[in-house]
Amino acid sequence: KQEVTQIPAALSVPEGENLVLNCSFTDSAIYNLQWFRQDPGKGLTSLLLIQSSQREQTSGRLNASLDKSSGRSTLYIAASQPGDSATYLCAVWANSGYALNFGKGTSLLVTP
Amino acid sequence: SQTIHQWPATLVQPVGSPLSLECTVEGTSNPNLYWYRQAAGRGLQLLFYSVGIGQISSEVPQNLSASRPQDRQFILSSKKLLLSDSGFYLCAWSHAGTDTQYFGPGTRLTVL
Repeated sequence: KQEVTQIPAALSVPEGENLVLNCSFTDSAIYNLQWFRQDPGKGLTSLLLIQSSQREQTSGRLNASLDKSSGRSTLYIAASQPGDSATYLCAVWANSGYALNFGKGTSLLVTP
Repeated sequence: SQTIHQWPATLVQPVGSPLSLECTVEGTSNPNLYWYRQAAGRGLQLLFYSVGIGQISSEVPQNLSASRPQDRQFILSSKKLLLSDSGFYLCAWSHAGTDTQYFGPGTRLTVL
């Protein structure tokens, strides 16, 4: 069964810092990996999707990388802003599965 | 553009009472539909998914059931709620199995 782990569970940084969120998964046989953002009490917003054949995806200040062979992905946030404060979730679609397998998320707080 | 709706937004129900949560998608046809639950301290857990009308697959045995009476309508039900059914319920859709998933705003269910 695919297990997805996110480290750290929580992170607090001052505004302007660059930061990295980590995601690891146990089964490297995946279709894709997705990063989501969740604001408190809200649904999820898709940030980036990386296909298994890709190494990275970029959107604005966000950059996600994928190393499928080692079962790792990172989400890099450049020049963090207070509006980036949220929980960030990593999810993988395993070849043998029918839906996404989610990690528990990293709760990010960016202080002014 | 596509939109996804969930209602109610919040719900407080006594143990043993029935449940019906509704999810509808607009602006697309024949979507894949998903029900997830997010319990405190745990990651998102897939409950049900559907690839078409009347086609429901369950990922975990539980006190809940799902139905898809129309192409863009997905309903989550229970005949008798348990305390352990409390959580944040999220509906999602995708164009195809491994595409980006788009989440609804969620329903906060508290069972007392």
